[in-house]
Amino acid sequence: QSVLTQPPSASGTPGQRVTISCSGGSSNIGSNYVNWYQKLPGTAPKSVIYSNNQRPSGVPDRFSGSKSGTSASLAISGLQSGDEAVYYCSSWDASLKAVLFGGGTKLTVL
Amino acid sequence: EVQLVESGGDLVQPGESLRLSCAASGFAFSDYWMHWVCQAPGKGLVWVSRISTDETSTNYAESVKGRFTISRDNAKNTLYLQMNSLRVDDTAVYYCARSREGLRNAFDIWGQGTVVTVSS
Repeated sequence: QSVLTQPPSASGTPGQRVTISCSGGSSNIGSNYVNWYQKLPGTAPKSVIYSNNQRPSGVPDRFSGSKSGTSASLAISGLQSGDEAVYYCSSWDASLKAVLFGGGTKLTVL
Repeated sequence: EVQLVESGGDLVQPGESLRLSCAASGFAFSDYWMHWVCQAPGKGLVWVSRISTDETSTNYAESVKGRFTISRDNAKNTLYLQMNSLRVDDTAVYYCARSREGLRNAFDIWGQGTVVTVSS
């Protein structure tokens, strides 16, 4: 059971915009940055958003992140089949003194 | 090329020990906080531990406290995870990850992972 809560699944058709939510608390998302990672089977995770809304070099601007209070969201616009993956949110928890991951959201492109 | 390469994963019995290594290349290893993250079969990512640049600060997930020890050798550009009293539920792919510059808890570079299987 993760302290950061994500929906287990999300879906969209090519070209659509989808959002994935991540809910936490005051000791994690509420007071620390949120980061997002893309995970494909058999490969290492890849950073797609860091510090709430910063895009790493090489990540298309179709990916965007936002944070409000104790929740955060990852939005992917212009959905492509290559975006099919599991997406994880992550944040430092100052009370636990630990990095937390959400349970992951499996994105399906229909 | 900036790279992290893990090694040391193996099949061990419950209660046994294992030491994982993560060899870094292509960047100034001593300048970055480093982490271990794992993923059990069919499960999500789980953070395991982190270590500061000079080893003076370490943190652990509750599930591994007292059993795992993170360390580093900046002269050898290598990160370690000593895993003792291994349990069946420690079975996972273990990744080492580099903290993004200036951010201790955002990962920008990941290794390919090493598999730890704990089974009798």
